[in-house]
Amino acid sequence: GAVVSQHPSWVICKSGTSVKIECRSLDFQATTMFWYRQFPKQSLMLMATSNEGSKATYEQGVEKDKFLINHASLTLSTLTVTSAHPEDSSFYICSAQLGSSNQPQHFGDGTRLSIL
Amino acid sequence: QKEVEQNSGPLSVPEGAIASLNCTYSDRGSQSFFWYRQYSGKSPELIMSIYSNGDKEDGRFTAQLNKASQYVSLLIRDSQPSDSATYLCAVQKMDSNYQLIWGAGTKLIIKP
Repeated sequence: GAVVSQHPSWVICKSGTSVKIECRSLDFQATTMFWYRQFPKQSLMLMATSNEGSKATYEQGVEKDKFLINHASLTLSTLTVTSAHPEDSSFYICSAQLGSSNQPQHFGDGTRLSIL
Repeated sequence: QKEVEQNSGPLSVPEGAIASLNCTYSDRGSQSFFWYRQYSGKSPELIMSIYSNGDKEDGRFTAQLNKASQYVSLLIRDSQPSDSATYLCAVQKMDSNYQLIWGAGTKLIIKP
């Protein structure tokens, strides 16, 4: 149980392109989803917390107009990197939390984004 | 002081031995504690969750929690080369909007 699907796995695109990443909880309803970014050999960095039906809460230093998050249903959240540039190249990972606050987060497989 | 601290390692352990990974946290109000394993280039994978003082065992893994001393540990018995990975400690505070506070991770190397 607690399977989280993230697509696509890899994206390579030109600078200026907008990229959408989907995160789905396949066998449970996720009230809260999280988006992380991880640079090589560095720790996970929380970008934003996404609650179904409401605006995402962004961490300090994360541009909400650059990283658009939509959490339209209890099983789907999307992250759109708008007008991506080479410095946005990173490993983006979503996680979903089942139900109450003390449950663990379950992670998708991540999306490796490379902007040329 | 970091909110969640782990020794970055690498921690090198012979195959078949017990690997001991430690984590300390600063907020006494923390309620939930998790260990994740992350292989290089992959996303984190939940290994154990623990919520009350004492030991919790699952197969070769044992999580230990001591809230008075504010530490949580993970023991891996009969270590295998496939256990080589970075182990992340995550702590959830009561007022954190369900966010996890992450340690930087300990890199574990199991030597055949």
